[in-house]
Amino acid sequence: NAGVMQNPRHLVRRRGQEARLRCSPMKGHSHVYWYRQLPEEGLKFMVYLQKENIIDESGMPKERFSAEFPKEGPSILRIQQVVRGDSAAYFCASSPLGGGALPYNEQFFGPGTRLTVL
Amino acid sequence: QKEVEQDPGPLSVPEGAIVSLNCTYSNSAFQYFMWYRQYSRKGPELLMYTYSSGNKEDGRFTAQVDKSSKYISLFIRDSQPSDSATYLCAMSAKGAQKLVFGQGTRLTINP
Repeated sequence: NAGVMQNPRHLVRRRGQEARLRCSPMKGHSHVYWYRQLPEEGLKFMVYLQKENIIDESGMPKERFSAEFPKEGPSILRIQQVVRGDSAAYFCASSPLGGGALPYNEQFFGPGTRLTVL
Repeated sequence: QKEVEQDPGPLSVPEGAIVSLNCTYSNSAFQYFMWYRQYSRKGPELLMYTYSSGNKEDGRFTAQVDKSSKYISLFIRDSQPSDSATYLCAMSAKGAQKLVFGQGTRLTINP
């Protein structure tokens, strides 16, 4: 059973370009989460999606960032007009359940996409 | 003040030592407490989780939660060089899906 897949693993963009990060959840998982990890910092929650729905986007910057999880295909995190401060590792996680189920609904993390903005 | 505070280290100990990693938090709504291990250039992997207060043991690893003090710990016994990694504590409130992470502690076990 393949784990969470993320691609590309490394992405280099110049300031002002767009970055598109893709995440394929584990088989059977319908919940996806995006986190950002700045250098020497822990992971920061960005957004939680189910198929075709954004459930919680409280961690998403108000501008330039968007996320989707279509009925078919991977989840996409899109960053428009990237700036140097967007350079970070972006991790996707997936889980089979959502909404406070017991026991804890483990989130399985992908290997991350490392974005470098020149 | 951050919701979750974790000493970033780095922490370096000899092989076989007992390692203690800690986090404090401020949000009393947190009910689930997790420890993740992250190797360099990899994604985090779940080591242990605890619901509410108490202790949990899994092999060489023991997780403790003290909700009255808002303090959690991870103990590693008989530490091995393969335990060298960054350890992240994470928490969530019941019914919430997002995880709130500490900064991570970089641990090195010296042979």
